[in-house]
Amino acid sequence: GAVVSQHPSWVICKSGTSVKIECRSLDFQATTMFWYRQFPKQSLMLMATSNEGSKATYEQGVEKDKFLINHASLTLSTLTVTSAHPEDSSFYICSARSPSTTSYEQYFGPGTRLTVT
Amino acid sequence: AQTVTQSQPEMSVQEAETVTLSCTYDTSENNYYLFWYKQPPSRQMILVIRQEAYKQQNATENRFSVNFQKAAKSFSLKISDSQLGDTAMYFCAFMKHAGGANNLFFGTGTRLTVIP
Repeated sequence: GAVVSQHPSWVICKSGTSVKIECRSLDFQATTMFWYRQFPKQSLMLMATSNEGSKATYEQGVEKDKFLINHASLTLSTLTVTSAHPEDSSFYICSARSPSTTSYEQYFGPGTRLTVT
Repeated sequence: AQTVTQSQPEMSVQEAETVTLSCTYDTSENNYYLFWYKQPPSRQMILVIRQEAYKQQNATENRFSVNFQKAAKSFSLKISDSQLGDTAMYFCAFMKHAGGANNLFFGTGTRLTVIP
């Protein structure tokens, strides 16, 4: 089946620094990847949609200059949290969609836990 | 805009018993997909079952089945013969059928505990 990986699985960084999270589709090409954010005991909130070779589409209220998304290849999208603050601490999940599968299929990564101290 | 509501924050069920999780949604779309996802303690999202809105027949996957009421915009999940491994957060989700990037809209989740 389709596998999506995320790296790192958890990261601790100091306030003011930047951190990059990678999302990879391991056995398929993903033209579209999605980035979600999940606070403790809450639901997944879509942050942005990333299409290979084009700029990401951000959801309302998500700062595009703070959460930089790059989808440079068909198997890799990255989310960079710039100038991180403690309120950015959360669980970040990516998902990927392949054009070769039916339109509803999204494959989720295992998530990345970010803690900003 | 699409909204998905799960009115049961927490539920519990005895092992081997049956439990039903509720979900309602609001949309002006006619064609769409509905999903139930499971998120165990590992946090990995797992697709449990999906339903295409144009299909009248309720979807079934082994011990999991749905009761899809399109007119009422209701989409409940029934878990039969509950197992300890079913303990998890369950999210109901909505997706437009066509056009756009096919975003998933998630409900707030129901935490299910299966009691031995």
